[in-house]
Amino acid sequence: AAGVIQSPRHLIKEKRETATLKCYPIPRHDTVYWYQQGPGQDPQFLISFYEKMQSDKGSIPDRFSAQQFSDYHSELNMSSLELGDSALYFCASSFEETQYFGPGTRLLVL
Amino acid sequence: DAKTTQPTSMDCAEGRAANLPCNHSTISGNEYVYWYRQIHSQGPQYIIHGLKNNETNEMASLIITEDRKSSTLILPHATLRDTAVYYCIVKKGDYKLSFGAGTTVTVRA
Repeated sequence: AAGVIQSPRHLIKEKRETATLKCYPIPRHDTVYWYQQGPGQDPQFLISFYEKMQSDKGSIPDRFSAQQFSDYHSELNMSSLELGDSALYFCASSFEETQYFGPGTRLLVL
Repeated sequence: DAKTTQPTSMDCAEGRAANLPCNHSTISGNEYVYWYRQIHSQGPQYIIHGLKNNETNEMASLIITEDRKSSTLILPHATLRDTAVYYCIVKKGDYKLSFGAGTTVTVRA
């Protein structure tokens, strides 16, 4: 069965640079969620989109923005990167209520 | 969303059943109990969910008490590959998942 696809899988950036993470949901899934997992921490919700509209917002820094496109894929844009942004970023998608996660993007900020 | 309480860790022998408890005493009527697991830095994996009735799928069984204030996830025959952090999460509808500390399950040969 098709799964959630995230790209890139690994990303290394310098401080103050920008990064764009992409998420391709499972076909026919209309809702996308972004989560951040810092080292040794549990995943924390950032933001979600339903039918291309923002549906919920968590503790997402103002430096981050995201959107969902007409083909339902989503992008998380991160600007002015800080060392503390180093983390795993997971995308999940759902059609009704159950969320299925992608493999994540590991971001390292140097 | 209601908060959950899980043991920090537990060990299980390979081939035996693993019973993972979860308390969610403040759960409301329209909130589901979800279980996910995360195997070392991989994406969280959906296991099972339920509202009131007990549920079973190819991975596990979920037993929810009649008052819905607690539940137990049962892995019928644990294998080494079941070693992971297991999260019990209560949520309603298409809402975000609020991950707590979870239970670190170690399956030993």
